[in-house]
Parts: sequence; structure tokens; C-alpha cells
Amino acid sequence: GAVVSQHPSRVICKSGTSVKIECRSLDFQATTMFWYRQFPKKSLMLMATSNEGSKATYEQGVEKDKFLINHASLTLSTLTVTSAHPEDSSFYICSAVSGTLTDTQYFGPGTRLTVL
Amino acid sequence: AQKITQTQPGMFVQEKEAVTLDCTYDTSDQSYGLFWYKQPSSGEMIFLIYQGSYDEQNATEGRYSLNFQKARKSANLVISASQLGDSAMYFCAMREGRNQGGKLIFGQGTELSVKP
Repeated sequence: GAVVSQHPSRVICKSGTSVKIECRSLDFQATTMFWYRQFPKKSLMLMATSNEGSKATYEQGVEKDKFLINHASLTLSTLTVTSAHPEDSSFYICSAVSGTLTDTQYFGPGTRLTVL
Repeated sequence: AQKITQTQPGMFVQEKEAVTLDCTYDTSDQSYGLFWYKQPSSGEMIFLIYQGSYDEQNATEGRYSLNFQKARKSANLVISASQLGDSAMYFCAMREGRNQGGKLIFGQGTELSVKP
């Protein structure tokens, strides 16, 4: 149990385009989902907290107009990187927490974004 | 402010031996949770073990145990009988509060290499 999927696993796009990343909890309902960014050999940096049916809460320094988050249902959250630039290239990971399972965050496999 | 520190950027261990990965934390909250995650080169974050601040017993999960010393604010991970597949990045993380869905703050990570 407690499986989280992400799609796509890898994406390459041109500068100026938008990219959508999906995060799904496959076997539980996720009351809260989190989006992280990770640079090579570095730690995870929390970008935003996403609660179903409400606006995401962004961490300080994260541009909410650039990183659009939508938590449309209890099993799906999406992160859209708008007008992507090469500096947005990174590894993006989502996690999900269930209201009924333990308070462990279960992570998706991550999405590697490369902006040319 | 909440903070997690992992002071060992890299560690080596011989196969079948035990290894301890250090983690110290700082929080003013009385209630918090401590987690360890493993991140292999594939990028997925694998949950290993959890310790609640009010748990009196040290957490154990198979070959993983958490040496929780509350007064010292340390939560070291002990891996017994290391295997080649244990080679990965290991992250310590903390969640403030008892509420499920609380965000995690991660340490810098320790890269563990298991030698045959």
C-alpha cells in the first residue's frame, strides 16, 4: 500500500513552454500533497503544500505564478511550470499524506525536467 | 527555527558490518516526528523508519534502528549487516507537531557506500 506515482518521469522542453507534472496517490486518499525540488547531490527543498480543494501554500521564495499547483481531487495534484527556463531544470518530487494511514509522507518516483 | 543537520557528507562501510548515520535536530516544539529516507540513484525516496518525540522506545524496522537521544536532540540511523544494495543517499527529516500532513524539513543527506 501507500503508492504514489508521478508522470512523466522525464521531460525535456524548450525554453518558454509550460510543463505539467502529475502526482497521484494510487491506493489511498491524500488529504495533503507536497512538492519538492532537488538539485544534484543536494537535499530536498519544499516548494509548496497542496490541500485538496484549497489554494496551495508556497514556501518563501517560490514564485506561485511560475509554479502553479492544483489539488483537484484526493488522489491527484498537479504542478505546472509555466514559461520554463533552463534554470528551472531540476528533479521535482511529490509526496502524499493520508488522513488515515500513519503520518508518514510517501514519495513519488520524481520527475526530471530539462529545459533547453 | 526548525533545523536538521547531517554532518557526514559521505560514509563508507564494509559489507556485513554495521554503520551509524548521524542526525541532529533543533526545534522548540515539544511534539515532533523524525524520519529517515533512503534515496538510491534512481531518485525515489524510500521511507525507512519513524520516531515520534513521545515514543519511549527506539524505533526498529528490520535492519534499521533509530538511536533516539532526546536530550541530545539526536536521531541517528543504525543499519546492521550492511548490504551492497544499501549504497544510496540517506536523508533525515523532521516534522513539527503531531498533526498529520505537517511539512518535512530535510537534512543535507549522507551518501553511503557499501564496499564488498
